[in-house]
Parts: sequence; structure tokens; C-alpha cells
Amino acid sequence: TQLLEQSPQFLSIQEGENLTVYCNSSSVFSSLQWYRQEPGEGPVLLVTVVTGGEVKKLKRLTFQFGDARKDSSLHITAAQPGDTGLYLCAGADLTSGTYKYIFGTGTRLKVLA
Amino acid sequence: EADIYQTPRYLVIGTGKKITLECSQTMGHDKMYWYQQDPGMELHLIHYSYGVNSTEKGDLSSESTVSRIRTEHFPLTLESARPSHTSQYLCASSYASYNSPLHFGNGTRLTVT
Repeated sequence: TQLLEQSPQFLSIQEGENLTVYCNSSSVFSSLQWYRQEPGEGPVLLVTVVTGGEVKKLKRLTFQFGDARKDSSLHITAAQPGDTGLYLCAGADLTSGTYKYIFGTGTRLKVLA
Repeated sequence: EADIYQTPRYLVIGTGKKITLECSQTMGHDKMYWYQQDPGMELHLIHYSYGVNSTEKGDLSSESTVSRIRTEHFPLTLESARPSHTSQYLCASSYASYNSPLHFGNGTRLTVT
């Protein structure tokens, strides 16, 4: 079974600071997705990265897929309190032939005003 | 807008009771999933389904059972609830393609006393 490790696990920063969250695996994924979850709600998709080396931007969020498709990063510029939440990466497990989604260990972000 | 619905949102129940958590989606998705999540932590897959009459166990062992008699409906049942079952249960759905994103409900927060 493929595993996804995220770092850091917790992050508390001041409004206006930049941050990067990492999602790493020893296995290759055909694609990776990033979700954000707010308290009391289900995760919501932010982006899907498919091609090795791909970079996608969503306003102040920049997502990158590693060249070898084993890792991904999420960079937030000038963080705002509204960015607070649990960030999860996820990939389809192709090794078992079932294509079920595996989620990363999560990064809990708190942005202080 | 919510295209995947979970009821109840909150449930407090005594040990030994039988419970069913409901999940319905209106998007015509073939694949549906149940994840278990402790607050702010990673998601663990407990059941999934590729379509009607298809159900599979996930990576996390669970005493719950599921059924998929209709495409839009994927209920989860616990025959005899125990305090160890206290958690948040998230239902999700997706199209059949392995890169299709997951759409999550807002979860059921279960407390077994």
C-alpha cells in the first residue's frame, strides 16, 4: 500500500507570512490532489496535479508536482486567517488495482490575525 | 451547494445500540466511500463501492457494514455501537475515472457513551 507523509503536521503563523506544506511518498502516483477541510465540514478539493513538474496557481496558493511524481508541495503567499484549516494531499492507489484514494497525514494550519 | 448529503450531522447514542448513518448523492457518481476521521487528523478509508451491489472493505478495519442497492445511496450500519466507535464519519463520491476528485459530505459526528 502506498503512503503519503505530510510535513509539517502543525503550523501556526502570523497573517502575511509565507508557508510551504510538503506531501511525500516513496511511490509514484498518477496524480495528486490537495484538499482543505474546515472544522465541522468535509474536505473540499483545491487542485489536481497530473503531470510531473506541473505547477498550478490558485490565487495565493501555488501547487507543484514533483518531476518523479512522488511528491508535491503547496505554497501559500501572504497567509490570511481565512486560510486556516486542515490541508490534505491525496492520491489514487494504483498498486492494489482498486484505485482507491489514499490521504496524507494532514497539515493543520492556523493563521493568526 | 451540497450534492452529497449525510444524516444525521450529530449522533449521541448508548453502547450496544444499532445505528445507520445515511449518505446520498445526486451527481450520478459510480464510486462512493466511507472515511473515518478523528478531529483534525488524517482520513482512514473503511469502505468503498464501485457501483450498485459492489462493496469492499478499506484499509482500516471496521466493525461496520455497508450496502449499495441504489447508485445514489450508500448507508453505513453499526450493529452494536461501542465507545471505540466514537469518531467522525465522512462519506464521499466520485466518477469512475481514477483521477476524478472526491466530493465529500459534511460528516456525521458520532459519540457512543
